[in-house]
Amino acid sequence: DAGITQSPRHKVTETGTPVTLRCHQTENHRYMYWYRQDPGHGLRLIHYSYGVKDTDKGEVSDGYSVSRSKTEDFLLTLESATSSQTSVYFCANSPGLAGGRNEQFFGPGTRLTVL
Amino acid sequence: GESVGLHLPTLSVQEGDNSIINCAYSNSASDYFIWYKQESGKGPQFIIDIRSNMDKRQGQRVTVLLNKTVKHLSLQIAATQPGDSAVYFCAENLDFGNEKLTFGTGTRLTIIP
Repeated sequence: DAGITQSPRHKVTETGTPVTLRCHQTENHRYMYWYRQDPGHGLRLIHYSYGVKDTDKGEVSDGYSVSRSKTEDFLLTLESATSSQTSVYFCANSPGLAGGRNEQFFGPGTRLTVL
Repeated sequence: GESVGLHLPTLSVQEGDNSIINCAYSNSASDYFIWYKQESGKGPQFIIDIRSNMDKRQGQRVTVLLNKTVKHLSLQIAATQPGDSAVYFCAENLDFGNEKLTFGTGTRLTIIP
């Protein structure tokens, strides 16, 4: 595996509540990513980070924010959860152009249900 | 495990046969491609990659073919085994120096014993 842990692994919450998902890596890779996975859409990038305190938006960033205060941790926050944010969330990391490969390594996922 | 898709293209293959999974990518400027395998309840795992200056690349029991003319990528799995049952995704990288990947919607491969 990629040395990535995600917490929690499962969460049920109510509409309007804030939710924070945590991603922790052990490799000190520079790049970290948050994706959501939904039926018919594959994996879609929410936000990514290219270093401590350096983040940028992906294709589905509305309603989400991220923070990266340490190399090893990348947090995804839903400020006010909505039912449309019910999904499986994956964190990934990447060392960058290591060995000529631009590979991303994925965590085990977090299933979030917003009622 | 987590459901990864209710509307995925599906492919069923007899154990021991070869399988071919296809992917049409979106951007003619993409210059790097990866195939990922996702088993139920797990995150995607790297299988094989290919740069746009290549047409074919082989790994252990897997071969990736790239046809840039029609923006088509395929993954061939030889002598399929029950453990090959999974959802397979292609991903493209617009620029090898850009660390973002764009993923396809996936194909569910089922191996029939």
